[in-house]
Amino acid sequence: QPVLTQSSSASASLGSSVKLTCTLSSGHSSYIIAWHQQQPGKAPRYLMKLEGSGSYNKGSGVPDRFSGSSSGADRYLTISNLQSEDEADYYCETWDSSWVFGGGTKLTVL
Amino acid sequence: QLQLQESGPGLVKPSETLSLTCTVSGGSISSSSYYWGWIRQPPGKGLEWIGSIYYSGSTYYNPSLKSRVTISVDTSKNQFSLKLSSVTAADTAVYYCARHEGGSDYWGQGTLVTVSS
Repeated sequence: QPVLTQSSSASASLGSSVKLTCTLSSGHSSYIIAWHQQQPGKAPRYLMKLEGSGSYNKGSGVPDRFSGSSSGADRYLTISNLQSEDEADYYCETWDSSWVFGGGTKLTVL
Repeated sequence: QLQLQESGPGLVKPSETLSLTCTVSGGSISSSSYYWGWIRQPPGKGLEWIGSIYYSGSTYYNPSLKSRVTISVDTSKNQFSLKLSSVTAADTAVYYCARHEGGSDYWGQGTLVTVSS
């Protein structure tokens, strides 16, 4: 079963860009992941599905400011032109015969 | 637009069984393309997958909860349900239902279940 590792926190300034990382465990570097955003007090929101090739498909209504990329076992979520509403927890998820979530990264917009 | 809505008691006593239902609207639970799952989030903590079901009834459960979890589906009502037995305070969480198209692409709004006497 894969394990997903995320940094617990990140911060960046309003209007800047930030790159969040989700790392797949050994032997699972080819896995597809999904990124989710969870604003305070709300349900998670699906952002995108991201393949090991770096190809990604975003969910409905996800702004162009959100993009994904990959390198080896690392999967990235980049948010450009940070807005105050981007302050949230971000989770990655993967699956095979079970579903697994990373521990989440709390993003603070300064 | 697909919508999922959790329902069930918000308070459960220790040692009893937690029961929740997810009603799917705007789409059929019988689609061959999707699994349907339950995910929970204890207060202030991260997301934990509980288990998932296919419309045919085949299930996958989190090994850490498997002995206490039962997930079932009622295609006639477009619903799927969660039962978690022998609950303790550690099972206090917001419980979400979700559709899996690979990842969880649609989520319910969540329902807080508190385990307390």
